[in-house]
Amino acid sequence: GAVVSQHPSWVICKSGTSVKIECRSLDFQATTMFWYRQFPKQSLMLMATSNEGSKATYEQGVEKDKFLINHASLTLSTLTVTSAHPEDSSFYICSASARGAGTGELFFGEGSRLTVL
Amino acid sequence: GIQVEQSPPDLILQEGANSTLRCNFSDSVNNLQWFHQNPWGQLINLFYIPSGTKQNGRLSATTVATERYSLLYISSSQTTDSGVYFCAARMGGGSNYKLTFGKGTLLTVNP
Repeated sequence: GAVVSQHPSWVICKSGTSVKIECRSLDFQATTMFWYRQFPKQSLMLMATSNEGSKATYEQGVEKDKFLINHASLTLSTLTVTSAHPEDSSFYICSASARGAGTGELFFGEGSRLTVL
Repeated sequence: GIQVEQSPPDLILQEGANSTLRCNFSDSVNNLQWFHQNPWGQLINLFYIPSGTKQNGRLSATTVATERYSLLYISSSQTTDSGVYFCAARMGGGSNYKLTFGKGTLLTVNP
């Protein structure tokens, strides 16, 4: 299957700082990428959908000014958590859909665990 | 949007036992996927199965799209099968393109 990679896997930061997480599709081009958040013992909740070259679409209740998403190329999307606070501590996972794929199958990165002190 | 419900929420098995996990969805789908989330959090793609039946080793899955449910079968379970199993579905393109997850089934396989 297709490979999606995230970096970093773990990040610890101080409250008030910003953190950037990268999501890359390694062996296919992704016109669309999705960012999910998962709190402990809960399911994955979609935060936003990013399309290459255009603005991201955010789910209801997700602050677009706090969670900045950039999808500047067909292989890279970034999520920046701005002015992070302890309540932003979570597991963030990206997924990607291959360009023009008829399968519709989505592939997920390894996830990035953010801890805000 | 689409609703996805999984059952049971928790399942405890002895090694070697078989199990069936169920996923119900509220609308017609063109994407139905099963995942296993490992202890490190990574989602492992098990099946992409909007309809029909597939098998991969000890695992198999069946989706009956007209009745809006999917089943994941695990045979001869092993301790390494432990973890959370998620079902996720999406209806179609456009604004319905997003994949919605169920709450998962936590499987524990004891030696």
